[in-house]
Amino acid sequence: DGGITQSPKYLFRKEGQNVTLSCEQNLNHDAMYWYRQDPGQGLRLIYYSQIVNDFQKGDIAEGYSVSREKKESFPLTVTSAQKNPTAFYLCASSTGGYVSNQPQHFGDGTRLSIL
Amino acid sequence: GQNIDQPTEMTATEGAIVQINCTYQTSGFNGLFWYQQHAGEAPTFLSYNVLDGLEEKGRFSSFLSRSKGYSYLLLKELQMKDSASYLCAVRDNYQLIWGAGTKLIIKP
Repeated sequence: DGGITQSPKYLFRKEGQNVTLSCEQNLNHDAMYWYRQDPGQGLRLIYYSQIVNDFQKGDIAEGYSVSREKKESFPLTVTSAQKNPTAFYLCASSTGGYVSNQPQHFGDGTRLSIL
Repeated sequence: GQNIDQPTEMTATEGAIVQINCTYQTSGFNGLFWYQQHAGEAPTFLSYNVLDGLEEKGRFSSFLSRSKGYSYLLLKELQMKDSASYLCAVRDNYQLIWGAGTKLIIKP
């Protein structure tokens, strides 16, 4: 079955540490996205990529970095510069671009906490 | 500014009907999505409205009024598995703006 796989499901970060969240899709979608979800707030876009080797900052990119070397993969690194990383991180993909009428398909998320 | 409002939480009874509202103020409008999200899981797509009126999909229907900046999701014959958060997202000219979601609690 096609879908989006995020790993790990739970992740703990120590002070000063960078951590990388994995996102893989086998839906053959061109566009991929990273969102952060905090209680009581809507999803906030961190980064998105519409094609391989290209990505754009979203609303809250500071303290995060991404790469898009393969169509299937869009890993997110939470750097030590992100001072409040505790959140639920969701990866998504779609056939159209960021503002297309195509729905986004989501992975099951990674919950990141500070040790 | 850009704003999407949804009630934070609603409670309904199994077998009943519930309407979840979403109002929006955006710089442009090119469509509205509804998603369902069970706790700790991925949001899943429910419906997309771009024209005024009601779209029906089984037990779920979604309505849009562009002139009023208003949409609702109607859930009929509620089941316990419908307990989830329901997210409204609006596509303006440049971005997808998400509401904070409505947590729906179903009681037996």
